[in-house]
Amino acid sequence: QQQVKQSPQSLIVQKGGISIINCAYENTAFDYFPWYQQFPGKGPALLIAIRPDVSEKKEGRFTISFNKSAKQFSLHIMDSQPGDSATYFCAASRAGTASKLTFGTGTRLQVTL
Amino acid sequence: DAGVIQSPRHEVTEMGQEVTLRCKPISGHDYLFWYRQTMMRGLELLIYFNNNVPIDDSGMPEDRFSAKMPNASFSTLKIQPSEPRDSAVYFCASTLGGGLGNQPQHFGDGTRLSIL
Repeated sequence: QQQVKQSPQSLIVQKGGISIINCAYENTAFDYFPWYQQFPGKGPALLIAIRPDVSEKKEGRFTISFNKSAKQFSLHIMDSQPGDSATYFCAASRAGTASKLTFGTGTRLQVTL
Repeated sequence: DAGVIQSPRHEVTEMGQEVTLRCKPISGHDYLFWYRQTMMRGLELLIYFNNNVPIDDSGMPEDRFSAKMPNASFSTLKIQPSEPRDSAVYFCASTLGGGLGNQPQHFGDGTRLSIL
């Protein structure tokens, strides 16, 4: 019930391409869906987040698409750059759980020249 | 403003030894989380505190693991006795709760633990 499933496990994209990472959840009580970015040797850092009252949120080259009926959400990175090479985690939390997050298993993105 | 500070950054020790990981959260944050990260299991929440009180320790794997938060600016995660399967990167994170909630969690850079 608390799982968040993430795919793919790894992704290689050419510079300038679009990177797409998908997540699915089971618990309909989840109401907050952040994405975290992690560089080697560093802790994860919040990249972008969405609530289920909107279907899309865009910040610069990063967009979250959210499908409430399908219980799925995805991260799109437009014009991918080598500096975007990192591990990306989706996560979800329930109202009233004060920021307790359930994380996906992570996607290692490599953007090649 | 300083972020979440963890120490040590790396720890190598022999099986059976006691290991203590330390965390200083961001000043003013009232929630503190301990995570473990491995290739096989990803990021796992071990325990979290609110106002220095443990709220949920259901992720603590065994009685060998214990965590304390004696004050708002310091927390420890202790493993005694340590085993090779405890080798992982341990992260501490903090956030400010209240209001609408869902404030971002701020992570430290982790402690890479190797048990030989």
